[in-house]
Amino acid sequence: DGGITQSPKYLFRKEGQNVTLSCEQNLNHDAMYWYRQDPGQGLRLIYYSQIVNDFQKGDIAEGYSVSREKKESFPLTVTSAQKNPTAFYLCASSTHRNSYEQYFGPGTRLTVT
Amino acid sequence: QQQVKQSPQSLIVQKGGISIINCAYENTAFDYFPWYQQFPGKGPALLIAIRPDVSEKKEGRFTISFNKSAKQFSLHIMDSQPGDSATYFCAALYTGGFKTIFGAGTRLFVKA
Repeated sequence: DGGITQSPKYLFRKEGQNVTLSCEQNLNHDAMYWYRQDPGQGLRLIYYSQIVNDFQKGDIAEGYSVSREKKESFPLTVTSAQKNPTAFYLCASSTHRNSYEQYFGPGTRLTVT
Repeated sequence: QQQVKQSPQSLIVQKGGISIINCAYENTAFDYFPWYQQFPGKGPALLIAIRPDVSEKKEGRFTISFNKSAKQFSLHIMDSQPGDSATYFCAALYTGGFKTIFGAGTRLFVKA
């Protein structure tokens, strides 16, 4: 089965702790993305990566960090600097040629208390 | 200029009725307008998309209408079914780049 996997589905953390969200794809896609989804605000781009070892900030990168050491993996770390980290996080991927057709994973719901 | 405004926020339609969701954009550089469908607890999935050189695109019960001069586009769901109950996002992007701008979403509920 080809697709994007995100783990875990639910994640709970105490305030002040860093947490890393996993995203893996076996679609052989070049580009990968991280979005944050909040009620009534649509999807906002956190980071994206067009190729291995390269990534760019999106609209709301503050308090987040990423790495892209392998084509199939794009983990997102939510740091303690992120003021309001509780949200639904979505990972997506696309081919380089068709960057406009994005395939999304099932998401991770992060709750920080 | 980067925003995509979507309305309504929520929509309740009777089974068999027509669901209509509207979006408006400002940036004339956008050249691709997809719609995504998201079921609760899942990631969005591409539903249908249109380019600005076409005024209408139909796939099954789903139709996009596009008005380039008004910078507006809409999704029509004909013969709406309870299984269509989901959140719908319109989006816009410039295909030369990597950034997709999403609307705020519309929660559709189709009553049986």
